Amino acid sequence: NAGVTQTPKFQVLKTGQSMTLQCAQDMNHEYMSWYRQDPGMGLRLIHYSVGAGITDQGEVPNGYNVSRSTTEDFPLRLLSAAPSQTSVYFCASSYSMSSYNSPLHFGNGTRLTVT
Amino acid sequence: SQQGEEDPQALSIQEGENATMNCSYKTSINNLQWYRQNSGRGLVHLILIRSNEREKHSGRLRVTLDTSKKSSSLLITASRAADTASYFCATDPRSGGSNYKLTFGKGTLLTVNP
Repeated sequence: NAGVTQTPKFQVLKTGQSMTLQCAQDMNHEYMSWYRQDPGMGLRLIHYSVGAGITDQGEVPNGYNVSRSTTEDFPLRLLSAAPSQTSVYFCASSYSMSSYNSPLHFGNGTRLTVT
Repeated sequence: SQQGEEDPQALSIQEGENATMNCSYKTSINNLQWYRQNSGRGLVHLILIRSNEREKHSGRLRVTLDTSKKSSSLLITASRAADTASYFCATDPRSGGSNYKLTFGKGTLLTVNP
């Protein structure tokens, strides 16, 4: 059981380049989300999805796009990378939207540097 | 915006000692969760305490919640070197206790020295 798998683990981009961070889960989880973690800022929610075909914005959505065409996958797209997007990105999922019986499961992160 | 704030930012103790970290939050909550993050890894869920609970135990973990003070504490007893990690509290201020927009604090970095 792989859990939540994020690829790549590390990525360096130049300003203006685009890329997609991949996230896949094999637990049939309904809810998936993307967070970014910056020093001194904690984790901030970028986008989330409550099921295939349904996405919504979190606290810091600007500069990022998401889609959820399948239950398993929730890719995060950077259309035109900026140095301010240098961060560690975490994908998380849970079986349902209720936190009482389904805590978040996190991937191990993608460390992105934009030069 | 940060809903929860952990205190202290960093804590260093000897193996076998107890570690206490605190979390304060701003708005009413349905529940509060604690997560652990080992260096270079994702977060792992530790425990959830509901707003109508005052204390909860799980192994060497003890969590308290004081809704009148909008604060929670996490106590790790008889600490081990393997407990070295960052600890985060997380809340969703919306009613119903959901994962929709779970908000994390900035974390407490715990170092347990052998």
